[in-house]
Amino acid sequence: GEDVEQSLFLSVREGDSSVINCTYTDSSSTYLYWYKQEPGAGLQLLTYIFSNMDMKQDQRLTVLLNKKDKHLSLRIADTQTGDSAIYFCAEGVRDDKIIFGKGTRLHILP
Amino acid sequence: DAGVIQSPRHEVTEMGQEVTLRCKPISGHNSLFWYRQTMMRGLELLIYFNNNVPIDDSGMPEDRFSAKMPNASFSTLKIQPSEPRDSAVYFCASIFSNEQFFGPGTRLTVL
Repeated sequence: GEDVEQSLFLSVREGDSSVINCTYTDSSSTYLYWYKQEPGAGLQLLTYIFSNMDMKQDQRLTVLLNKKDKHLSLRIADTQTGDSAIYFCAEGVRDDKIIFGKGTRLHILP
Repeated sequence: DAGVIQSPRHEVTEMGQEVTLRCKPISGHNSLFWYRQTMMRGLELLIYFNNNVPIDDSGMPEDRFSAKMPNASFSTLKIQPSEPRDSAVYFCASIFSNEQFFGPGTRLTVL
């Protein structure tokens, strides 16, 4: 079936890099996504990667995709207090349907 | 564009009452999604529409839940009768070019 798994919590010291990992099951996924949810708000698209890419970099964000292992990661360099949020990994499966993981709550330590 | 609009933002009701949540997608987006978010179960897809037609409603928990999309600019999610376990944040999202745009959510509390 369709499933996206990610760890629920991550604590990182301010200024360090955060790495959030995710595994998915549908090998036919075309797009893989990272969404960010701040308290009291809906999800916002942070970045995405097309399935024929291995890596995508966007300022402090680096997405790595290992299609063989169905593993996706998000690295946030120089983590700031404003990065504190829930990060959702998601895969696009078919007909516009996107399957979300349960989200990783990123906590920033001073 | 104002983005995806949901109303109400907060709803408190008593068990057994009917609840109707509303969503206005972004103009021109042809797919609309309803999600439910709780701490225990995370983000669950309830139902989604494409060109106003329900495509997949396998996530709708039970017959108490129903959703409609009478036109391209409006959708409702109805719970009748509501139960305390329905308490959650309900999100609506519309999609364009593989990106989902989420509304701010409706926080539902059923007492």
